[in-house]
Order: sequence, then structure tokens, then C-alpha cells
Amino acid sequence: GAVVSQHPSRVICKSGTSVKIECRSLDFQATTMFWYRQFPKQSLMLMATSNEGSKATYEQGVEKDKFLINHASLTLSTLTVTSAHPEDSSFYICSASAVGTVRGNEQYFGPGTRLTVT
Amino acid sequence: GENVEQHPSTLSVQEGDSAVIKCTYSDSASNYFPWYKQELGKGPQLIIDIRSNVGEKKDQRIAVTLNKTAKHFSLHITETQPEDSAVYFCAATPVGANNLFFGTGTRLTVIP
Repeated sequence: GAVVSQHPSRVICKSGTSVKIECRSLDFQATTMFWYRQFPKQSLMLMATSNEGSKATYEQGVEKDKFLINHASLTLSTLTVTSAHPEDSSFYICSASAVGTVRGNEQYFGPGTRLTVT
Repeated sequence: GENVEQHPSTLSVQEGDSAVIKCTYSDSASNYFPWYKQELGKGPQLIIDIRSNVGEKKDQRIAVTLNKTAKHFSLHITETQPEDSAVYFCAATPVGANNLFFGTGTRLTVIP
């Protein structure tokens, strides 16, 4: 399968600061990237979908001004958590897919980023 | 929208036995059904998938079956090994959509 990386794997930040998480597709061009949030022992919750060169589409209840998503190239998307608060502490996971190709439905996930806000 | 239900939530089997996880979906237009394995502290890993034009797919010890009429699909793991212990998620994607709609997950424990 395709390889997706995420950086950093873990981050601790102080309340009120911003944190940027990078998601890279290493061996294919990702026309679409997805950002998920996962709470302990729960399923993945889709936060937003981003297409290269376009504004992200956010799911209901997700604040677009708090979770800034940029998908500037076919291999890189970033999620910035602005003015982080302890309730933003979570496991953030990205995925990538090559929509429009034969395997366009397939999503390949990154290893996740554990964010802790103190 | 699509709603995916997954059972059981936890499953324990003896090493060497088979494990079966079942999912149902609500949108008859869904046409892509992947299964993911997630180990603790890691991202989900695609282990097998099936499309609506196929009833069964097998890859070594893993197989997936799809019943479009009943709108359910199942993951079968044979000859289970301790390293199969993880949380497994099913998902479905409706035609024309890019999103995955996930089940709630099954925590599989293989007892040595």
C-alpha cells in the first residue's frame, strides 16, 4: 500500500499556542487528504476534507478558524490547531487518497499525532 | 447519510481459531468497503477491501464477504496469531463520495 507520513508524532504545547501538524504522501500524488480526530477507545471522527489547491471542507461542528487546513501540493497537507486548549488534546490522524484514479476510493492513513495541551 | 454498524465491540479468540467481525450499512448506493487494522498508538492500516461488484475477496488468512442485498459485509481471519490483536474498523463509501463512514471498531484479542 501507499505510504503516508505525519510529523510530529507527539507534541506537547501550552494553552493558547498554535501547533502545526504535517501530513505527507510519500509515494503517490494525493489529490485529496482527510483529517481525523480520535478519542481514546473510539472510532475516527472526520474533521475536514481538503483537495489540493482548494479550501478545505469542514464537517459540521468543526471550527474552521480553529483548525486551519492547507493543502498546497499533491504531497503535503497541514493542520494547524490555533490557540490550543486542553480540550483539543487528542490523536490527530491524516489520510490521503488519489481521487479520480482507478484506486481513488482507497485512503491510506498516517501514523497519527498525539497532541497534548497543558 | 451512510450509517455503519459493527459487531462485536470486543472479541477474544484462542490462537489458531478463526475470528469474524460483521458490519452493516444503510446506504444501498455504497460501493466500496475497506477494513482497517489499528494497533495501539498508530494510524489505521488498510488490510483488505471489497467493491460492490464482488461477493468475496481473500488475501492469505484474511477474507471479506459482501452481501449487497442484506447490506452487510464481514471480515474473516483464520488461524489467528497474537500479532492479529488490534482494533479493526470497517468502513463504507457511497457512490460519488470520497468520505469513509467508519464502524465503531472491534477490539480483537488473540490469546496465546
